[in-house]
Amino acid sequence: DAGVIQSPRHEVTEMGQEVTLRCKPISGHDYLFWYRQTMMRGLELLIYFNNNVPIDDSGMPEDRFSAKMPNASFSTLKIQPSEPRDSAVYFCASSATGTGLNSPLHFGNGTRLTVT
Amino acid sequence: EDQVTQSPEALRLQEGESSSLNCSYTVSGLRGLFWYRQDPGKGPEFLFTLYSAGEEKEKERLKATLTKKESFLHITAPKPEDSATYLCAVQDLAGNNRKLIWGLGTSLGVNP
Repeated sequence: DAGVIQSPRHEVTEMGQEVTLRCKPISGHDYLFWYRQTMMRGLELLIYFNNNVPIDDSGMPEDRFSAKMPNASFSTLKIQPSEPRDSAVYFCASSATGTGLNSPLHFGNGTRLTVT
Repeated sequence: EDQVTQSPEALRLQEGESSSLNCSYTVSGLRGLFWYRQDPGKGPEFLFTLYSAGEEKEKERLKATLTKKESFLHITAPKPEDSATYLCAVQDLAGNNRKLIWGLGTSLGVNP
């Protein structure tokens, strides 16, 4: 399996622009997670989906952030408008239900976002 | 409030010099404690899950242990390829959710 695939790997944009991050989870995994990682705050869960349905979006910073999962093999995280404080590495992860609520996460290699 | 604290923030060892990383946690009820390894420019990679105090798991030179308040990741005779950031996370028993609370990690460097 190719693992979780994220694109782009790097994104540099100007403040006020729209940014769209993309994720393809591992086939057969029914949970998908979006995380943000910074040096100061570490890994923070933004939102997660189960069977394409958003379950918990309490970590989404504000209305500028939105996430969708139109089908089992694709998800997007959109920031509009972007701000310099959104600069971070954004990770997508997926997992299977098979081993229960604490089955391990499989992470992609992230998108490094820089907003100038 | 659930909380995870990892120490030290950074550790540098000589090849073959064994040591331990600490993960202290506060949670109302523990569903699971997780260790992950993260290499530069990569996403975290799963190592272990521990469920209850007294449990131990091993993988090559790594052994993870768990008490009611903390977990240790013991590294025996490390090699340069063990250099990475090691992350600890906990999952609360409360609720039917998949949320993990993460520590900031320990950055481990192993000199040849």
